[in-house]
Amino acid sequence: AQSVSQHNHHVILSEAASLELGCNYSYGGTVNLFWYVQYPGQHLQLLLKYFSGDPLVKGIKGFEAEFIKSKFSFNLRKPSVQWSDTAEYFCAVKAYGGATNKLIFGTGTLLAVQP
Amino acid sequence: GAGVSQSPRYKVAKRGQDVALRCDPISGHVSLFWYQQALGQGPEFLTYFQNEAQLDKSGLPSDRFFAERPEGSVSTLKIQRTQQEDSAVYLCASSSYRGRGNEQFFGPGTRLTVL
Repeated sequence: AQSVSQHNHHVILSEAASLELGCNYSYGGTVNLFWYVQYPGQHLQLLLKYFSGDPLVKGIKGFEAEFIKSKFSFNLRKPSVQWSDTAEYFCAVKAYGGATNKLIFGTGTLLAVQP
Repeated sequence: GAGVSQSPRYKVAKRGQDVALRCDPISGHVSLFWYQQALGQGPEFLTYFQNEAQLDKSGLPSDRFFAERPEGSVSTLKIQRTQQEDSAVYLCASSSYRGRGNEQFFGPGTRLTVL
């Protein structure tokens, strides 16, 4: 069965610090990978996705993620965080070619950025 | 509307009551998903519709859970004889077609509390 692991449950950073959130998945086949973000009081929204091609994916608000197939990882990075990045971040995987497009989510990482 | 809407936003039920949760997907979106998000967890897949056809209901936790989308647009998730363990946020998502890497757009969720 597919699963997604997010190693950091809570992260606290100061503004301008660099961010890296870990995400590993277990699935032997081709996958699509996603990072979703949930800002306080708002609904889940897509930050970025890996579909195919260049394993370094750039998303909104300066975020990027790198797909490393050999490590089954899709870590999220941002060189300099802002207070407005305070949110919960979810990594998700979708098995390519499956009967549905269901997403398998990790448990989430709560990021708090201190001004 | 511009996004996925869900109603009610909050629902309190006494144990044993039946509840119905509504999802209005983005107009024209073929695919519709229901997820359950328990406190401190990531969303977990419940069921998937392509138009009016329920193609995957493997995530429904028991036969007390039932979902429908009779005209291929609005969907309702019904929970019969609610139990305390049903307390969670129920998320609806839609996407435009069953394409590779296609983004799922999430609604704000319905927070269900079973007393």
